[in-house]
Amino acid sequence: DTGVSQDPRHKITKRGQNVTFRCDPISEHNRLYWYRQTLGQGPEFLTYFQNEAQLEKSRLLSDRFSAERPKGSFSTLEIQRTEQGDSAMYLCASSPSAGVRLDEQYFGPGTRLTVT
Amino acid sequence: EDKVVQSPLSLVVHEGDTVTLNCSYEVTNFRSLLWYKQEKKAPTFLFMLTSSGIEKKSGRLSSILDKKELFSILNITATQTGDSAIYLCAVGGSWGKLQFGAGTQVVVTP
Repeated sequence: DTGVSQDPRHKITKRGQNVTFRCDPISEHNRLYWYRQTLGQGPEFLTYFQNEAQLEKSRLLSDRFSAERPKGSFSTLEIQRTEQGDSAMYLCASSPSAGVRLDEQYFGPGTRLTVT
Repeated sequence: EDKVVQSPLSLVVHEGDTVTLNCSYEVTNFRSLLWYKQEKKAPTFLFMLTSSGIEKKSGRLSSILDKKELFSILNITATQTGDSAIYLCAVGGSWGKLQFGAGTQVVVTP
């Protein structure tokens, strides 16, 4: 399967703990995006990378959140000192970096985070 | 502030009916409009419409984009129970970011 993959699929953690999620994009895609989705809402943009460069971050991304894409391939999203409000589905997507298909983003299965 | 509004929020139809979903938007530097289908998992890409492609069709699904009136429509004809899902509209404006609407939940009953 050459689609976007995410790990883990589910994560339950206690408030105050740190968590890290991984995303592996489609291999030929240079752009990688992170979104967060809560029940009854569409995905909300968090941040995106062009190769290893983080080019934009949403105001939703507080100081407790950090994302990396060190070699321009997989990416990690870390949440420090988790809060119950962080409970959501964290989605990763990837797209080609140029041309008319720039916005054509393909999503991974998501990581569902529950903070107790 | 940019916004994407979908309507209706939900609807229930019988198999074989036709469904029309609406998406209106106000987005700075509009570049594209996309439709996704979301079942109990991540969104699945359906269509992308841009200035150079304002109408798309795939099987029983079709979509149009009206850039003047700032809206798009997704039509599903001869609905099947497998069409039951949340349909998301997203707009590409600022580079790299898609802004999503809240979605329309479609339930197709046998």
